[in-house]
Amino acid sequence: EAQVTQNPRYLITVTGKKLTVTCSQNMNHEYMSWYRQDPGLGLRQIYYSMNVEVTDKGDVPEGYKVSRKEKRNFPLILESPSPNQTSLYFCASRPFGRGETQYFGPGTRLLVL
Amino acid sequence: ELKVEQNPLFLSMQEGKNYTIYCNYSTTSDRLYWYRQDPGKSLESLFVLLSNGAVKQEGRLMASLDTKARLSTLHITAAVHDLSATYFCAVDLTGNQFYFGTGTSLTVIP
Repeated sequence: EAQVTQNPRYLITVTGKKLTVTCSQNMNHEYMSWYRQDPGLGLRQIYYSMNVEVTDKGDVPEGYKVSRKEKRNFPLILESPSPNQTSLYFCASRPFGRGETQYFGPGTRLLVL
Repeated sequence: ELKVEQNPLFLSMQEGKNYTIYCNYSTTSDRLYWYRQDPGKSLESLFVLLSNGAVKQEGRLMASLDTKARLSTLHITAAVHDLSATYFCAVDLTGNQFYFGTGTSLTVIP
């Protein structure tokens, strides 16, 4: 089944404790992206990657890191999480090409205490 | 920075009625997407609009794009309960940068 998977789905952590949220897709998509969803703000793009070893900042990259060492994986790293990073995070992928839609993962709900 | 505004933010409508959700954006783009999100779920793609005047229809939903007015609409015809969800529009600025609206939470009342 074609899908985007994220782990963990739920995470409670404390301020300053480094964490990684994994994202993997099995559709051989070139493009992958991370978003955060907050009430009243819609989805905001954190980072995106156009292919292996090619990443760029989205609208709200502060406090986050990413890497793209393999085509299928695009982990999101919070080196020192803070309470304002409490949010619902979505990973998405899409094939290369104008107008291709994105396929979203199930989401990771993060609470930073 | 591209701004995307959706109206209304909340919509309660009776079954069988028609209504339109509006998506305005601030910078020229000819690539616009509509997604649906059910409570506690992920986003599901509904429509991709790629040119001025584009119109797409699926069941009771029809989306259109006017790039000159920087406006997309999502029209709901004869609403049914199954359409209750949050609807997002998203604008593609460069092919890599996506800007989402705040979402319209739709509740269809029997």
